[in-house]
Amino acid sequence: EVQLFESGGGLVQPGGSLRLSCAASGFAFRDYAMSWVRQAPGKGLHWVSSISGSGGDTYYADSVKGRFTISRDNSQNTLYMEVNSLRAEDTAIYYCAKGGESGHYGDFDYWGQGSLVTVSS
Amino acid sequence: DIQMTQSPSSLSASLGDRVTITCRASQGIRNYLAWFQQKPGKAPRSLVYAASSLRSGVPSKFSASGSGTDFTLIISSLQPEDFATYYCQQYYTYPFTFGPGTKVHIK
Repeated sequence: EVQLFESGGGLVQPGGSLRLSCAASGFAFRDYAMSWVRQAPGKGLHWVSSISGSGGDTYYADSVKGRFTISRDNSQNTLYMEVNSLRAEDTAIYYCAKGGESGHYGDFDYWGQGSLVTVSS
Repeated sequence: DIQMTQSPSSLSASLGDRVTITCRASQGIRNYLAWFQQKPGKAPRSLVYAASSLRSGVPSKFSASGSGTDFTLIISSLQPEDFATYYCQQYYTYPFTFGPGTKVHIK
């Protein structure tokens, strides 16, 4: 059974940093692209970033480029997102999502339960 | 960026009703279209990929179709567990973008 479990969220001041983690199990982690998608409270879904199975290719939404860094440790079956220079508008639930069998990075077949990041002074 | 729109934004329906949700892309996305269901306080659940392929375990009361710019999700007979918000998403090109969602309410 595929399981994704995010952690690392919390309350942070504007300009602060966090590292989000997503622990994966139930599939061959290194064989699949992974992504982060966020959802502001009461709002819709927004793609944030994706990374290839090897970790060699990364992609970002313009709104986070230069501030967020996606990475993965295939030996630990864990996906990360380093989030820096946080702004109020980054407040959201951050979901990790697994790439589907199609191989397309944006084909999300499984999602974690999410980790809430709140940016506030 | 490719803009995704959905209609209606919300709908009220009764148990057993057939429900149709439409999604339109601002430019052609071939069949790189997914549908998700999200219940309050829960993570999204993947229903459909490649515009018309149901994920494993998704009941056959869900069907989807479309290609290019216009797509449809149909729930053939609404059941209590189907009351949720439904999102479409294009993965034809970066940035991947989602529709604003369609909230299905109980009438």
